[in-house]
Amino acid sequence: TQLLEQSPQFLSIQEGENLTVYCNSSSVFSSLQWYRQEPGEGPVLLVTVVTGGEVKKLKRLTFQFGDARKDSSLHITAAQPGDTGLYLCAGAVDQTGANNLFFGTGTRLTVIP
Amino acid sequence: NAGVMQNPRHLVRRRGQEARLRCSPMKGHSHVYWYRQLPEEGLKFMVYLQKENIIDESGMPKERFSAEFPKEGPSILRIQQVVRGDSAAYFCASSPLGGWGNQPQHFGDGTRLSIL
Repeated sequence: TQLLEQSPQFLSIQEGENLTVYCNSSSVFSSLQWYRQEPGEGPVLLVTVVTGGEVKKLKRLTFQFGDARKDSSLHITAAQPGDTGLYLCAGAVDQTGANNLFFGTGTRLTVIP
Repeated sequence: NAGVMQNPRHLVRRRGQEARLRCSPMKGHSHVYWYRQLPEEGLKFMVYLQKENIIDESGMPKERFSAEFPKEGPSILRIQQVVRGDSAAYFCASSPLGGWGNQPQHFGDGTRLSIL
């Protein structure tokens, strides 16, 4: 069962534009992580958000955790070609008997110079 | 990604053979996680191990797949009698402490398994 839906699945934009990637679920997560993955490599952790409503900034990237801890967004300002990659959200489910980290299907971002 | 070492990077097997994938966690990390990724998809959790213990194997198929993390040496993901559907990228991650979400997981660069 896929608990995390990411949108859009593919995104191609010009350098300098802004973009937002969404990660939605009907489940509540105890925390949520965002990763970026480049071809032939493993995912690299960008941020972990744990509190509902939390906003974290990492240079031009802004991450927000929804108040109800069911969704998250990643906003990139003035995208650069180096931002190109697969962006994955992953949630830890706070559920008795479960101990899994669930990954979304990913958003593949291409920034055109 | 350099901290978590996976080998081999690429592995080709014929149907019915065995595949062994190795993962050496980052120094000081005693928790290892294995994931599988199909093309254009996210990662699917398979198994979570601590030294000499399997903590959670709910994502691993009951047949043909096994995992271990011995006291000494790397973690091993073993697939017996491989089939075409086993072709995928297999990623290992490690963390210094246990649990999920609050513990950052550091990933290796994966083993790409191809079944002929």
